[in-house]
Amino acid sequence: QKEVEQNSGPLSVPEGAIASLNCTYSDRGSQSFFWYRQYSGKSPELIMSIYSNGDKEDGRFTAQLNKASQYVSLLIRDSQPSDSATYLCAVIDMDSNYQLIWGAGTKLIIKP
Amino acid sequence: DTAVSQTPKYLVTQMGNDKSIKCEQNLGHDTMYWYKQDSKKFLKIMFSYNNKELIINETVPNRFSPKSPDKAHLNLHINSLELGDSAVYFCASSQNRDQPQHFGDGTRLSIL
Repeated sequence: QKEVEQNSGPLSVPEGAIASLNCTYSDRGSQSFFWYRQYSGKSPELIMSIYSNGDKEDGRFTAQLNKASQYVSLLIRDSQPSDSATYLCAVIDMDSNYQLIWGAGTKLIIKP
Repeated sequence: DTAVSQTPKYLVTQMGNDKSIKCEQNLGHDTMYWYKQDSKKFLKIMFSYNNKELIINETVPNRFSPKSPDKAHLNLHINSLELGDSAVYFCASSQNRDQPQHFGDGTRLSIL
């Protein structure tokens, strides 16, 4: 059973600080990784996708991938109260018709 | 314009009834999905269609039947609704099976 694991939190971060969200996955052959943000009562929204080892930056968001250690992380710089949400990590399982394997999500709270 | 739209947004009905949820995407994507998110907030894949062909059919009761009349539409019909069917149902689409998924706003189903 392939798994994606995240700390459920809540992770509390002061406004303006860096929020660091982590995710580990069990399938060493995984190639495609995604971070989604889900506000309470809303649908998941794609924030970042990453396919290669290293860092990928988009505005205040940086995704980091380390395939050797099987982890992917999301850094949010200059955290804002509007970043408070649940962050979902998802990994494509190529052996199961490319379905997404989802983590349970980390609840992030940014304190003003 | 809404990229992935679901109707209805809210559905309140009694046990034993039959109901349908409709989904349409105007992104020109080839692949569409149905997910269930229960009170514990875990996202569970139910079905996926690629170019109108069913490619993912997870273990769900056969009371649930998807139908894809064309690439832009994926509907979900549920027979003999049960209390445990209460959840939020999300439709999603992606350019292809290995691309990021984009979600609709969800349908909140409540069974009385």
